Amino acid sequence: DAGVTQSPTHLIKTRGQHVTLRCSPISGHKSVSWYQQVLGQGPQFIFQYYEKEERGRGNFPDRFSARQFPNYSSELNVNALLLGDSALYLCASSPSWGENTEAFFGQGTRLTVV
Amino acid sequence: LAKTTQPISMDSYEGQEVNITCSHNNIATNDYITWYQQFPSQGPRFIIQGYKTKVTNEVASLFIPADRKSSTLSLPRVSLSDTAVYYCLVGTGGATNKLIFGTGTLLAVQP
Repeated sequence: DAGVTQSPTHLIKTRGQHVTLRCSPISGHKSVSWYQQVLGQGPQFIFQYYEKEERGRGNFPDRFSARQFPNYSSELNVNALLLGDSALYLCASSPSWGENTEAFFGQGTRLTVV
Repeated sequence: LAKTTQPISMDSYEGQEVNITCSHNNIATNDYITWYQQFPSQGPRFIIQGYKTKVTNEVASLFIPADRKSSTLSLPRVSLSDTAVYYCLVGTGGATNKLIFGTGTLLAVQP
């Protein structure tokens, strides 16, 4: 079975541009979460979606937005990119929400803002 | 959410048992303790989860004392491929599945 897939794997953008990152969860998983991991730090929670509704939001500016589609895939959008947005963006899927279920992470999208 | 404290780094040799301890003094009654492993440029991977006493799976053991203010991840007979960052997380999925990662412990296994 396919794991969590993210695209693209690598991306270079210029300051001020917009970026869209995509995530396909494991088949049957209805919850998708997004994390940002800056070099040398642990992943930081950005968003969680379950059944196409936002269920949690981390301490990130409004330039960050996300959505979940009927097939449970998800997009993370970041507007007006800053150099500090350079990071590994991770998507994680879980079977459900509100339970102590294991989170399955994708390989991530490495975003470099120049 | 309970904060965790773990060593920044640890060194070991192949074949040794490695124990990584995590402190979580403010753990709540409903909190579980979960450990993830992360290799460079990859997403974290679930290792083990427990609530109290001892949990063992095919990869590791998790020891949790009665007061639950700390926990120890035990990796038996490590190999070079166990070199990674190990994260201790404390929380509950009751309100959200949000995972709170610290800086983790970088385990370096040498031949």
